Amino acid sequence: DIQMTQSPSTLSASVGDRVTITCRASQSISTRLAWYQQRPGKAPNLLIYKTSSLESGVPSRFSGSGSGTEFTLTISSLQPDDFATYYCQHSWTFGQGTKVEIK
Amino acid sequence: QVQLVQSGSELKKPGASVTVSCKASGYTLTSHAINWVRQAPGQGLEWMGWINTYTGNPTYAQGFTGRFVFSLDTSVSTAFLQISSLKAEDAAVYYCARDVGVGDAVTLDTWGQGTLVTVSS
Repeated sequence: DIQMTQSPSTLSASVGDRVTITCRASQSISTRLAWYQQRPGKAPNLLIYKTSSLESGVPSRFSGSGSGTEFTLTISSLQPDDFATYYCQHSWTFGQGTKVEIK
Repeated sequence: QVQLVQSGSELKKPGASVTVSCKASGYTLTSHAINWVRQAPGQGLEWMGWINTYTGNPTYAQGFTGRFVFSLDTSVSTAFLQISSLKAEDAAVYYCARDVGVGDAVTLDTWGQGTLVTVSS
């Protein structure tokens, strides 16, 4: 089975910061990767699919890139609403999550 | 708009069974697979499996065979998750989610609000 590993597990940042989260696959997955945001007490929300396609309604400060085994989610200018946990996902496997906290 | 609405929180005793429902609206249930995802308290997302809503064929992830059953009632656009012989470690929030991807490019674009299952004597 393919394993998905995110780093860091926790990230402290300030409003306005540029934030990057990394997701590594244990073997090549082409561009079949999605990213989700989960706020406390809420269901996950799809942000990015197929590595870099922005889901409708998602702010353009979110972007995704990568291919093969290494992928990144970037938030260009962190907003108060963005403090949440982010998960990458390939096929039927999720990464362990990255919590973005207020610095 | 496309929505998945799940049934409410459940409190069950160990050994009991529970059924979580997931009602689809704004689209035809049979057009996209429904996935089930578990989130234990303070933990990450764990994929449980999915059901082909056209054929009704379920696929279960490792660790979710035997006591877990996915089913459908297409007449009311609803998917179901049944868990039998509940254990303390089944306590979690359970989510249903619609998959709009193709093959293993799973893309969960719509999620239910989650159902909290508490297991306590």
